[in-house]
Amino acid sequence: AQSVTQLGSHVSVSEGALVLLRCNYSSSVPPYLFWYVQYPNQGLQLLLKYTSAATLVKGINGFEAEFKKSETSFHLTKPSAHMSDAAEYFCAVTKTGANNLFFGTGTRLTVIP
Amino acid sequence: ETGVTQSPTHLIKTRGQQVTLRCSSQSGHNTVSWYQQALGQGPQFIFQYYREEENGRGNFPPRFSGLQFPNYSSELNVNALELDDSALYLCASSLGVVRGQRETQYFGPGTRLLVL
Repeated sequence: AQSVTQLGSHVSVSEGALVLLRCNYSSSVPPYLFWYVQYPNQGLQLLLKYTSAATLVKGINGFEAEFKKSETSFHLTKPSAHMSDAAEYFCAVTKTGANNLFFGTGTRLTVIP
Repeated sequence: ETGVTQSPTHLIKTRGQQVTLRCSSQSGHNTVSWYQQALGQGPQFIFQYYREEENGRGNFPPRFSGLQFPNYSSELNVNALELDDSALYLCASSLGVVRGQRETQYFGPGTRLLVL
């Protein structure tokens, strides 16, 4: 079975500080992993995805994530937070042959000026 | 290139009624998935359509049904609405499987359904 756990439903950082959003996955087979962002009253926008090509994945808006099999983690980072990064972030997992994404419960990022 | 669009944006229904939500997939995409996102939760998979056939279903009762049309647009129908059906309904389109790789799902803005 595939699932993801996002640690911390709310994260607050100061503008310019490091952003770290945590995601751990559970999968019986090599997974595909995704981070999506959701701005208020909007749908989900893909930030980045891991499909086993490279363990460090770079995404849009300066975000990146590292796949660590030994830790079953896929944490999202950004070196310097911007006010526009304030949103809800979802980690998701799927596998080869699966039809759907399994999402975590989300982490709301607040950026303090 | 047109992205995924959904209609209506908001909807209010009463318990027991029926509702139809619509989704137009991104140009060239033949696969549409529907998700339900309750307040404060992550999206949950309802079902997927590939070339007009249901291609997987999540843990939702039969009163949730769907259709996909030849132009790959899709409808989600919910019968006998319950209060717990109040949620944001998201549609996502993709190319399905290309060269063995499951392609990325691109999401629409959603339809917010309130059941009173």
